[in-house]
Amino acid sequence: GDSVTQMEGPVTLSEEAFLTINCTYTATGYPSLFWYVQYPGEGLQLLLKATKADDKGSNKGFEATYRKETTSFHLEKGSVQVSDSAVYFCALRRVSGGYNKLIFGAGTRLAVHP
Amino acid sequence: ETGVTQTPRHLVMGMTNKKSLKCEQHLGHNAMYWYKQSAKKPLELMFVYNFKEQTENNSVPSRFSPECPNSSHLFLHLHTLQPEDSALYLCASSQDTTAAGGFFGQGTRLTVV
Repeated sequence: GDSVTQMEGPVTLSEEAFLTINCTYTATGYPSLFWYVQYPGEGLQLLLKATKADDKGSNKGFEATYRKETTSFHLEKGSVQVSDSAVYFCALRRVSGGYNKLIFGAGTRLAVHP
Repeated sequence: ETGVTQTPRHLVMGMTNKKSLKCEQHLGHNAMYWYKQSAKKPLELMFVYNFKEQTENNSVPSRFSPECPNSSHLFLHLHTLQPEDSALYLCASSQDTTAAGGFFGQGTRLTVV
């Protein structure tokens, strides 16, 4: 079945460091891919998405490129801030029976220190 | 603010209590979802409603009972829960195949004592 694998956290970085959070997926066909962010005490917020191969999703300085050949969708940011501290979830979307079904990775906690 | 509102934000209940979680969206979406988020585990999809009909039940125990009276509201009725049911319960909605992955509410933090 479809699945998403993320690098285990926590990831601890200093402010202005470069961030990479790895995400790979297993799926038939070409699902849409997403990154969600969850700040402490909150629900999930969509961070960025890509719907087809070679698409690059970007938002708030974060980027991720849909790589079909490596079945990956790694999240990157050139310079992290303390306010980026959160849990990041990679997900794929499967359309089933006329509705969306999201399959999530386990999440990666990011802690950014001043 | 995602347009999906969950109440209450926090709930503490005893194992013999009956309570309900509420989710509301006025985004015009036709699919609504309940997820469970436990510590150190991936999000677990519990139920899916599409056009008010339950289309997915991922082997959820019967002590969780969903209800979708209309396309804007989704409830999760809880009774005789166990301490291991303590978790963050997240509601989401989407508009069939054209949406982004889903719009999530802020969740209800449930503690069963």
